[in-house]
Amino acid sequence: GENVEQHPSTLSVQEGDSAVIKCTYSDSASNYFPWYKQELGKGPQLIIDIRSNVGEKKDQRIAVTLNKTAKHFSLHITETQPEDSAVYFCAARTPGYSTLTFGKGTMLLVSP
Amino acid sequence: DVKVTQSSRYLVKRTGEKVFLECVQDMDHENMFWYRQDPGLGLRLIYFSYDVKMKEKGDIPEGYSVSREKKERFSLILESASTNQTSMYLCASVQSINGELFFGEGSRLTVL
Repeated sequence: GENVEQHPSTLSVQEGDSAVIKCTYSDSASNYFPWYKQELGKGPQLIIDIRSNVGEKKDQRIAVTLNKTAKHFSLHITETQPEDSAVYFCAARTPGYSTLTFGKGTMLLVSP
Repeated sequence: DVKVTQSSRYLVKRTGEKVFLECVQDMDHENMFWYRQDPGLGLRLIYFSYDVKMKEKGDIPEGYSVSREKKERFSLILESASTNQTSMYLCASVQSINGELFFGEGSRLTVL
């Protein structure tokens, strides 16, 4: 089955800096890669996703890049703000399956 | 807005008790999931269901069972709770295999 590795497990940045979280996946057939943000006391919420026919996608201060050859994808957050502090999960979905395989999560702390 | 509601946010049970965790979604989604979240281990799939009365084992089904008698409701059952089942449990739903996964806010279970 699919295996998703996520790094780093924790990331501390100063407000205004950029943050990058990286994930690798094992199944070359996987074609959907979402990123979820989980704030304290809440369930994860989708913030951005990318499909395998696209190399990059942006939404305001967040972007995701996908390298299918290397089987890795990354989340980029620019101009970080304290409200970006949360746990972020990457995931991958293989065609024909309704389930997502998640990475182990990255705790991002943005200090004012 | 899609809403996934988990009826109990916090539960404390004793070893050997039978535990029911209830989840209801209001968007007529076909697929529903139960995940377990533990620090350092990320989100691990326990069971999922793609239709009423249908269920499939996920990655860690041992010690759990599920019930889906109605499309909107998916229950997780711990027949005999053990201390190693102390965890955060997250319910999720999605309409199709290519759609966004929506999570509930989680049920934190402590087994003493």
